[in-house]
Amino acid sequence: AQKVTQAQTEISVVEKEDVTLDCVYETRDTTYYLFWYKQPPSGELVFLIRRNSFDEQNEISGRYSWNFQKSTSSFNFTITASQVVDSAVYFCALKDSNYQLIWGAGTKLIIKP
Amino acid sequence: KAGVTQTPRYLIKTRGQQVTLSCSPISGHRSVSWYQQTPGQGLQFLFEYFSETQRNKGNFPGRFSGRQFSNSRSEMNVSTLELGDSALYLCASSVEPFSGQGQREQYFGPGTRLTVT
Repeated sequence: AQKVTQAQTEISVVEKEDVTLDCVYETRDTTYYLFWYKQPPSGELVFLIRRNSFDEQNEISGRYSWNFQKSTSSFNFTITASQVVDSAVYFCALKDSNYQLIWGAGTKLIIKP
Repeated sequence: KAGVTQTPRYLIKTRGQQVTLSCSPISGHRSVSWYQQTPGQGLQFLFEYFSETQRNKGNFPGRFSGRQFSNSRSEMNVSTLELGDSALYLCASSVEPFSGQGQREQYFGPGTRLTVT
């Protein structure tokens, strides 16, 4: 069965610290897609990144970076030099052959000034 | 380009009533998906509509239904409301069906906060 686990319920760091959000997934499919979304207090989910199962290259976008490792079924997200505006709930999600998004429980990130 | 809009933003209903939520996708997007978000169950997929046809459906009872109009606007309806239906209902749109192969993105609206008392 498909499953996405975000073991960290809440993380609190001081501004400018680096922080890594963990995501572990389960699927029997060889073709699948992984996503990260950000949900600020306003409630709207904001797309951050999509990665397909055949592309294990890590990606960096500004202060954000993602580490995809099929060997450990993980797709971790790191924010470098965190800022208060990064405070939000972050969701990892999986789309496989069922074509529905399976969501993790989310990690609430609190960045203190 | 305007984003996904959802109306109303907040709604309070009583158990047993029914409710209709509306979603207008981004211009040019023909696919609309609906999600329910609750503290207990998290985010769950409800259904997706593309070109007025339901393409995919999550594991929800028949009280939850939806439809899509020719202009791609979508509505979802919940009949015989229960306390457990209190949730944030999110709508997302994409150009092509998100429930399909290939790399597609979907864009979310701000949600409708439904409270059932």
